[in-house]
Amino acid sequence: GAGVSQTPSNKVTEKGKYVELRCDPISGHTALYWYRQSLGQGPEFLIYFQGTGAADDSGLPNDRFFAVRPEGSVSTLKIQRTERGDSAVYLCASSLSSGGAGDTQYFGPGTRLTVL
Amino acid sequence: AQKVTQAQTEISVVEKEDVTLDCVYETRDTTYYLFWYKQPPSGELVFLIRRNSFDEQNEISGRYSWNFQKSTSSFNFTITASQVVDSAVYFCALSDTFKAAGNKLTFGGGTRVLVKP
Repeated sequence: GAGVSQTPSNKVTEKGKYVELRCDPISGHTALYWYRQSLGQGPEFLIYFQGTGAADDSGLPNDRFFAVRPEGSVSTLKIQRTERGDSAVYLCASSLSSGGAGDTQYFGPGTRLTVL
Repeated sequence: AQKVTQAQTEISVVEKEDVTLDCVYETRDTTYYLFWYKQPPSGELVFLIRRNSFDEQNEISGRYSWNFQKSTSSFNFTITASQVVDSAVYFCALSDTFKAAGNKLTFGGGTRVLVKP
């Protein structure tokens, strides 16, 4: 079956603008995660959804970042008033369930965000 | 708090050499899971292996093998007879049950492997 898909693959925006990044998880996966990967570093957790609700948003850096998953499938990460420091690759992952720490997460190809 | 350290930032080998990637982790939990992912130049993270804290058996999958040593909090990864296609960044990751909700992964900084022909 299809893997995790993310759109757009690349997004260039100007400082201060609003952006939306979309993630379409593997069909049937109830858990969805967003991570951010800066150049030369490992991914860092942002937010986790179980179904429609954000179960853990402790990784969101500030209130400019927000994410939704209204129907429990596709998720959108929203960034307001973008700053140059927001430039990174934003990765989405999904897993079959949130039964505990053992679920394997499958990652999408990421969206490379560049803020000029 | 949990932490994953990959001390080697880059390793360069010649094709057919073996290469071992180190991973050391910290966690307060007794139940946890360790993962390895591969990130080729295309950028997508590819899952390689998952290991739980109760299973200390080493594992082999083709040219890949993993050595889990709970006593030293290490989960090392060896590629035997490396090939050019193994060139990628490899990440070790940890998830534990200390905090509620989900399966948040803590990643190490990654090790870039360059296999030269």
